[in-house]
Amino acid sequence: EVQLLESGGGLVQPGGSLRLSCAASGFTFSRSGMSWVRQAPGKGLEYVSVITSSGGATYYADSVKGRFTISRDNSKNTLYLQMNSLRTEDTAVYYCAKGPRNWTFDYWGQGTLVTVSS
Amino acid sequence: QTVVTQEPSFSVSPGGTVTLTCGLSSGSVSTSYYPSWYQQTPGQAPRTLIDSTNTRSSGVPDRFSGSILENKAALTITGAQADDECDYYCVLYIGSGIYVFGTGTKVTVL
Repeated sequence: EVQLLESGGGLVQPGGSLRLSCAASGFTFSRSGMSWVRQAPGKGLEYVSVITSSGGATYYADSVKGRFTISRDNSKNTLYLQMNSLRTEDTAVYYCAKGPRNWTFDYWGQGTLVTVSS
Repeated sequence: QTVVTQEPSFSVSPGGTVTLTCGLSSGSVSTSYYPSWYQQTPGQAPRTLIDSTNTRSSGVPDRFSGSILENKAALTITGAQADDECDYYCVLYIGSGIYVFGTGTKVTVL
């Protein structure tokens, strides 16, 4: 059974940093692209970032480019999202997702809440 | 900036059929955008329904189907049930590793 467990969310001040983690199990992590998707309170889903299976390529939404860094440790089956220069508009539940596979995010974690506020 | 548009809300009767659409602010949606569809109950993680236009994900009932209709991606629910009442999102792949989520449709079954 595929399981994705996010951690690292919390309250941070504007301009601050936070690192999210996603522990994966139930599939061959090193063969799967991985992604982060977020959802602001009461709003829709928003693509954040994708990393290829090897970590050799990364992609970002314009809204986070230059501030967020996606990475992975295939020896630990763990995905990361380093978030710097956080803004109030980054407040959201951040979901870790397996994929894209066939251009689809095929499994999702339960999410971790990041609140950016003074 | 690419905007992917969905109907804000839809109402369907139990047992009825509803078709949700997913369009581009400029241009037509084709299979080359690899549209996928997701279902989300408030407070829960999304669930994947359809990938690559029309392939149902594992465990998804066959009352859900995907297609391209009149230059938009479409999700049809045939024989709607009470637990189909939730939010639905489409996603389009626009190239260079970038995906764009639609604005979402809230479906009410009553």
